Amino acid sequence: QKEVEQNSGPLSVPEGAIASLNCTYSDRVSQSFFWYRQYSGKSPELIMSIYSNGDKEDGRFTAQLNKASQYVSLLIRDSQPSDSATYLCAVKSNFNKFYFGSGTKLNVKP
Amino acid sequence: ETGVTQTPRHLVMGMTNKKSLKCEQHLGHNAMYWYKQSAKKPLELMFVYNFKEQTENNSVPSRFSPECPNSSHLFLHLHTLQPEDSALYLCASSQGAGGQETQYFGPGTRLLVL
Repeated sequence: QKEVEQNSGPLSVPEGAIASLNCTYSDRVSQSFFWYRQYSGKSPELIMSIYSNGDKEDGRFTAQLNKASQYVSLLIRDSQPSDSATYLCAVKSNFNKFYFGSGTKLNVKP
Repeated sequence: ETGVTQTPRHLVMGMTNKKSLKCEQHLGHNAMYWYKQSAKKPLELMFVYNFKEQTENNSVPSRFSPECPNSSHLFLHLHTLQPEDSALYLCASSQGAGGQETQYFGPGTRLLVL
């Protein structure tokens, strides 16, 4: 069983729509959760972090965490073509150990 | 410079060569990481250093040898690599142990082993 699972996609949404990206994790004691965006050929860049159950909003991005279901998601409102990238879910488990999902490729069509 | 820097950005080497990748962080962090990213695979954690001490070695072959002389610098020494080692090698740093650290990534070194 993988530590962090994501649907590889691609997820295609029209410009202006809401993109919903999902992630599940296996380690119940995980405390910190991160979403990174990675453009092709580039390194990952942090978009959001979330540590408590519920929603956390930052501009067009909303991260949602449900520890009971071991589920974390990222919503992108008013999706733009520039949001087209691979989105990586990361989970911090043991001492300084991070697990990354394989990523979900998002295509936002103009 | 700011953030996390890596050199070289691109590297082509033969299987008998010896080369080193360098990472430097300008964020005042205490933990540094090496990751390998191969095509269509998740990021693979290779090594973790916290306050210059290696705290994680994820069963990485000995042809990869890390070195962390201080909290700001991290090296990955490469020797007798295989073609399957071709990948993007990413360095990252975070504040340190415990808490809710975020990792910040460098731009990566794209390595091709011939």
